[in-house]
Amino acid sequence: SQKIEQNSEALNIQEGKTATLTCNYTNYSPAYLQWYRQDPGRGPVFLLLIRENEKEKRKERLKVTFDTTLKQSLFHITASQPADSATYLCALEEKYGIQGAQKLVFGQGTRLTINP
Amino acid sequence: SAVISQKPSRDICQRGTSLTIQCQVDSQVTMMFWYRQQPGQSLTLIATANQGSEATYESGFVIDKFPISRPNLTFSTLTVSNMSPEDSSIYLCSVGARLSTDTQYFGPGTRLTVL
Repeated sequence: SQKIEQNSEALNIQEGKTATLTCNYTNYSPAYLQWYRQDPGRGPVFLLLIRENEKEKRKERLKVTFDTTLKQSLFHITASQPADSATYLCALEEKYGIQGAQKLVFGQGTRLTINP
Repeated sequence: SAVISQKPSRDICQRGTSLTIQCQVDSQVTMMFWYRQQPGQSLTLIATANQGSEATYESGFVIDKFPISRPNLTFSTLTVSNMSPEDSSIYLCSVGARLSTDTQYFGPGTRLTVL
């Protein structure tokens, strides 16, 4: 069966350190994978998209890797700050139906806390 | 990016009643989606709201329970019908720029509690 798993429900990191979140998937072959941030009481906010032919993508203090052999994406936040505390969701595309319609499927999220 | 508003932001409803949630976007968009996020869970797609035709529902969701309207390219409604406590959840509207799996922008959500 198809599955998306994020490494842990919760992660606590000391301020200034690098936070690394993991997203593993099985029985998917996504053309790309996305990462979102969700704060309590708010909808998810798009952060980064990485395509299957890209090994790495960066945006300011964020870095995402995508290994289609391992079926894994890593999400890094360097020089972490308390303001980075949030739930982070990975999402990938799923094709379905005869006509190859697409939809986004989300992981369960990792709640990241950066301690001052 | 798109700015999305939802109404109501939260509601407490009695079992057996229905609630209609509105989603308004500040620009015309092709793709609009409705998600459910149950407590402590990730997002589950309910349906894709198609302008000018019936919504496309995901497995486990049916039109009688979750009727959807999409009268134009900036507005959609989701109704949660004949509610039970199991429907208590956050309901989120989202829009995509072009294709169904492009970057999606989410509304703030509607927190529904059914007693």
